[in-house]
Amino acid sequence: EVQLVESGGGLVQPGRSLRLSCAASGFTFHNYVIHWVRQAPGKGLEWVSGIWGNGETGYADSVKGRFTISRDNAENSLFLQMNSLRTEDTALYYCAKDAPSGSIDYWGQGTLVTVSS
Amino acid sequence: DVVMTQSPLSLPVTLGQPASISCRSSESLVYSDGTTCLNWFQQRPGQSPRRLIYNVSNRDSGVPDRFSGSGSGTDFTLKISRVEAEDVGVYYCMQGRYWPYTFGQGTKLEIK
Repeated sequence: EVQLVESGGGLVQPGRSLRLSCAASGFTFHNYVIHWVRQAPGKGLEWVSGIWGNGETGYADSVKGRFTISRDNAENSLFLQMNSLRTEDTALYYCAKDAPSGSIDYWGQGTLVTVSS
Repeated sequence: DVVMTQSPLSLPVTLGQPASISCRSSESLVYSDGTTCLNWFQQRPGQSPRRLIYNVSNRDSGVPDRFSGSGSGTDFTLKISRVEAEDVGVYYCMQGRYWPYTFGQGTKLEIK
């Protein structure tokens, strides 16, 4: 059974940093792109970043230069280093597994990040 | 970025009646191998999104057959043949043809 378990969320002041983690199990981790997708309170879904098994990355313009995605294939783990946080980064952050033909087939339960003074 | 536009954004439906959600992309979602990278997700209140449909019309395992997807190129539709109470939630289309993946605004389905 595929499982994605996020952690690391919390309350942080604007301008500070936070590091999210996602522990994956139930599939061959290094074979798949893994994404971070976020959802601001009461709003829709927004793709944040993705990383290929070989480490190639992509970012939404809204986080480029501030967030860094990484993975540890030996530990089946995904990370998101979030620097220079803004109030508009407040959201539930989901870890999501890519599927063939441009899709996402599994989602974690999310970890809540609140950026507020 | 590819813009995904859904309509309607709010969808009140009577139990047992059909429902339809439209999704339009700003660019063709057809991949070089002929695959069309359009997905539908359901998000029930308080839950994570769940994929219902991939490649326009392929239903995920465990998804009731009252859900169906159709369309081509840039115009797509999710249909529910007879709405049940458990279908309440927000439905999103998502394109996976280009990075960044992009989602529609979401359609909130409620029971009248």
